[in-house]
Amino acid sequence: DTGVSQNPRHKITKRGQNVTFRCDPISEHNRLYWYRQTLGQGPEFLTYFQNEAQLEKSRLLSDRFSAERPKGSFSTLEIQRTEQGDSAMYLCASSSGTSGPAYNEQFFGPGTRLTVL
Amino acid sequence: AQSVAQPEDQVNVAEGNPLTVKCTYSVSGNPYLFWYVQYPNRGLQFLLKYITGDNLVKGSYGFEAEFNKSQTSFHLKKPSALVSDSALYFCAVPLKSNTGKLIFGQGTTLQVKP
Repeated sequence: DTGVSQNPRHKITKRGQNVTFRCDPISEHNRLYWYRQTLGQGPEFLTYFQNEAQLEKSRLLSDRFSAERPKGSFSTLEIQRTEQGDSAMYLCASSSGTSGPAYNEQFFGPGTRLTVL
Repeated sequence: AQSVAQPEDQVNVAEGNPLTVKCTYSVSGNPYLFWYVQYPNRGLQFLLKYITGDNLVKGSYGFEAEFNKSQTSFHLKKPSALVSDSALYFCAVPLKSNTGKLIFGQGTTLQVKP
């Protein structure tokens, strides 16, 4: 079990640039989540995939944000025209599909820390 | 709306003493409840969950949590704290929807001093 991996671990970018993050979930997990965590706060839900289908997007996910999960494996989160307010830790999590989604614990990756200058 | 609250920003305890990190919830119906721990510059690690059954739930690293329906609480406990337990702890509730997305508390920093 290699766990959830995320790349890059850190990203520094200038305001207005586009960035893309990648998440590789645990291989047999069909559920994948993205969360955003700012300093001193708990993670906040951004979006959810079941296999390749994006089933829910938070209102936090403005039209500058897009997420994909082609073929139901890895996922990417892209932020276009970054703003300083996008600076945060972006966390990916996956969980098993063996029971209802609320029942199974989510396994988190180490996160990608984004700094927008 | 479902939510959890962690009333303490920080808890300080001496090594070897028992520790408690508090969590209260506001959930309609019977809740599922989770505890996660976050070490510096790392992702969240699952500690334990309450789904149903015994009110005392045992988890990883010697932690346990007690579900109390009358007080709507789910406090995290450990009989004897270690310095290595120092970290950020989050209580969370999953929505019983088709997503199971987690709603997190604001977190409690645990400092265990030698």
